[in-house]
Amino acid sequence: AQTVTQSQPEMSVQEAETVTLSCTYDTSESDYYLFWYKQPPSRQMILVIRQEAYKQQNATENRFSVNFQKAAKSFSLKISDSQLGDAAMYFCAYWSRTGRRALTFGSGTRLQVQP
Amino acid sequence: NAGVTQTPKFQVLKTGQSMTLQCAQDMNHEYMSWYRQDPGMGLRLIHYSVGAGITDQGEVPNGYNVSRSTTEDFPLRLLSAAPSQTSVYFCASSPLAGGPFTDTQYFGPGTRLTVL
Repeated sequence: AQTVTQSQPEMSVQEAETVTLSCTYDTSESDYYLFWYKQPPSRQMILVIRQEAYKQQNATENRFSVNFQKAAKSFSLKISDSQLGDAAMYFCAYWSRTGRRALTFGSGTRLQVQP
Repeated sequence: NAGVTQTPKFQVLKTGQSMTLQCAQDMNHEYMSWYRQDPGMGLRLIHYSVGAGITDQGEVPNGYNVSRSTTEDFPLRLLSAAPSQTSVYFCASSPLAGGPFTDTQYFGPGTRLTVL
């Protein structure tokens, strides 16, 4: 079974600065996707970014980018030019494309943004 | 498109009562799933479906039933509610084949359930 580990329960960043959230995962599969989801106080789960395992190029979405290290099974999220609206819980998640097709989530990182 | 909708938003039950959480999507997604989120944890999969008439168990299926008679709807039934089922429930859907969003889960707004 796959596992996803987020070792930082809480992080804090100053507005306009850059922050990196860490995620590691364990799998024996070669075909999978990785995701970062944002959960603000409204509790809505919002897709931030997606990475396909077979792609070596790191995904980017505006101020959000990932550092995907497949051999190390590491998938960190970098938020540049942090904004107050970035404050939320961030979940790293793994999607298997060969086994049971479902998301396996980490325990989350709460990000605070200081003005 | 309304996306993924869930009803109700909040519900309080007494132990032993049964109820159905509704989930619908209008994106013609093949895959639908139910997750629960407990405090301090990520979401855990309860049941999922890869198409009408096909369902399977997830990580925490005990105490819950599902059925998928149409592509659009995927209700979750609590058979006899227990305090351990107090949680926030999320429904999600995704396309399974073709396009840039394959295998990407889109979530409903959630239902907060309290069992007394």
